[in-house]
Amino acid sequence: KAGVTQTPRYLIKTRGQQVTLSCSPISGHRSVSWYQQTPGQGLQFLFEYFSETQRNKGNFPGRFSGRQFSNSRSEMNVSTLELGDSALYLCASSLVLASGTEAFFGQGTRLTVV
Amino acid sequence: AQSVAQPEDQVNVAEGNPLTVKCTYSVSGNPYLFWYVQYPNRGLQFLLKYITGDNLVKGSYGFEAEFNKSQTSFHLKKPSALVSDSALYFCAVRDMNRDDKIIFGKGTRLHILP
Repeated sequence: KAGVTQTPRYLIKTRGQQVTLSCSPISGHRSVSWYQQTPGQGLQFLFEYFSETQRNKGNFPGRFSGRQFSNSRSEMNVSTLELGDSALYLCASSLVLASGTEAFFGQGTRLTVV
Repeated sequence: AQSVAQPEDQVNVAEGNPLTVKCTYSVSGNPYLFWYVQYPNRGLQFLLKYITGDNLVKGSYGFEAEFNKSQTSFHLKKPSALVSDSALYFCAVRDMNRDDKIIFGKGTRLHILP
């Protein structure tokens, strides 16, 4: 069974631009979460979607947004990019929301803002 | 609010020796607890989880973790370390009683010395 797929794997953008990252969860998984990973901060929670609804949100500015489609695929968008947005963005999917089921992670999208 | 602490940024262990990676947590209700491992340029891989029941949980690659409610800890252990265990390890918690996200610690880098 295919794992979590994130595209693209690598991105280079300039300050002020916007970017859209995509995540396809494991088939049948309805919950998708996004995390930002940086060396100094570890994994910071961005948001979680379940059945096309945002269920939880982390402490990130409004420049960070996301959505989930009816097939559970999710996208996150970052507008007006800043140098500090350079990070590995990880997507994770799980079968259901708020349960003991583990999350499965994609390989991430490495975003570099120059 | 829930939180996870991994007090050690780095742990060095000689190959063949037992290893412990520490994790403490804070949740308002009962916890779901997880350990993940990350190899270079990869996403996170699930190792093991505690949901309920036996306090000693066994997982992948010979790892185990012990849930200690009184000390609010969930330390990761392995009886005999391998060089291939060298990686970044993350502890995570989800509040069982709330519709809440999975929160990760900042990670502990494990170095197994040959």
